[in-house]
Amino acid sequence: DAGVTQSPTHLIKTRGQHVTLRCSPISGHKSVSWYQQVLGQGPQFIFQYYEKEERGRGNFPDRFSARQFPNYSSELNVNALLLGDSALYLCASSAGWGSSGNTIYFGEGSWLTVV
Amino acid sequence: EDKVVQSPLSLVVHEGDTVTLNCSYEVTNFRSLLWYKQEKKAPTFLFMLTSSGIEKKSGRLSSILDKKELSSILNITATQTGDSAIYLCAARGYALNFGKGTSLLVTP
Repeated sequence: DAGVTQSPTHLIKTRGQHVTLRCSPISGHKSVSWYQQVLGQGPQFIFQYYEKEERGRGNFPDRFSARQFPNYSSELNVNALLLGDSALYLCASSAGWGSSGNTIYFGEGSWLTVV
Repeated sequence: EDKVVQSPLSLVVHEGDTVTLNCSYEVTNFRSLLWYKQEKKAPTFLFMLTSSGIEKKSGRLSSILDKKELSSILNITATQTGDSAIYLCAARGYALNFGKGTSLLVTP
């Protein structure tokens, strides 16, 4: 079975540009979350989606947005890129939402460099 | 504000040593504590702990949660060079709240 898949794996963008990152959860999982990991830090929560609805949002500016599609895949969009947006963006997949018993699995991540 | 603190931040040991990694948390609506191993990219799931005092084991790794002390430890016995990685602790409240991680280097 495929794990959590993310694309692209690496990308370089210029300040002010827009980026779209994509994620496919593990088959059968309905919850997708996005995290930003800056070098030397632990991942920081950005968004969580379950059954195509936003269920949680971290402390990130409105330049960050996301959505979940009927097949449970998800996109993270970042507008007006800043140098500080350079990071590893991780997508996490779990079967459900709101339960302590759901294990959360991560994809390989998308490395974004903003120049 | 939710907070997760890991210690030590870095550790260098020799193969065969036993290590203990620490994690303390203050998280609203705490549900569970998760440990991950991160080598290059994706954090790899190790353990999820929901009940206090019950040790979980997987090979040379084990972990336990203390809800009274709001803490958890991850033990690795008979360390190998392949254990070199960053170990992340995450406390689940409304979302996963991660610590900065412990960077473990196991030397031959």
